Amino acid sequence: NAGVMQNPRHLVRRRGQEARLRCSPMKGHSHVYWYRQLPEEGLKFMVYLQKENIIDESGMPKERFSAEFPKEGPSILRIQQVVRGDSAAYFCASSPRQATNEKLFFGSGTQLSVL
Amino acid sequence: GESVGLHLPTLSVQEGDNSIINCAYSNSASDYFIWYKQESGKGPQFIIDIRSNMDKRQGQRVTVLLNKTVKHLSLQIAATQPGDSAVYFCAESSNTGKLIFGQGTTLQVKP
Repeated sequence: NAGVMQNPRHLVRRRGQEARLRCSPMKGHSHVYWYRQLPEEGLKFMVYLQKENIIDESGMPKERFSAEFPKEGPSILRIQQVVRGDSAAYFCASSPRQATNEKLFFGSGTQLSVL
Repeated sequence: GESVGLHLPTLSVQEGDNSIINCAYSNSASDYFIWYKQESGKGPQFIIDIRSNMDKRQGQRVTVLLNKTVKHLSLQIAATQPGDSAVYFCAESSNTGKLIFGQGTTLQVKP
């Protein structure tokens, strides 16, 4: 049973370009969470999605960031017109149920570098 | 608002000694807590969890203690090994279904 798969592992973009980060949850998991981690810091919640629905996006910046989890295919975190401050590690996690009392399983992350 | 914080940013221990990593949380309504281990360049890895109806839970070489009175959580690692060197995060589950992470404690194991 494969774990949470994220790709690409590393992504380099120039300022103003778009970044697309992909996450395939564990088999049987329909809940996906995205977190951002800056160097030497903890993980900051961004967004929580179920299939075709955004449940909680309270951690998402209001502009340039969007996320989706379609009925088929991986969850996508999209960052438009990237700026240097977007450089960070982005982690995806999944769970079979809402994480109120459920541990999350994390992927290896995508390291985004904005030049 | 909700927050989870750690008392010490770095903990250095001798191989074979026991390690204790502490965590304070602020949301008294939280009822589920998790400890994660993160090695350099990797995603967080689940270590152990505890629900609020318990005050202690043991795993293999690890023990989590929960003190709801003072809103304190700790992770104890017995006979610390070099492979335990990592950053350790505590996390609490919010009522909206997301985990809130603390800043992390770096554990350094000296041979």
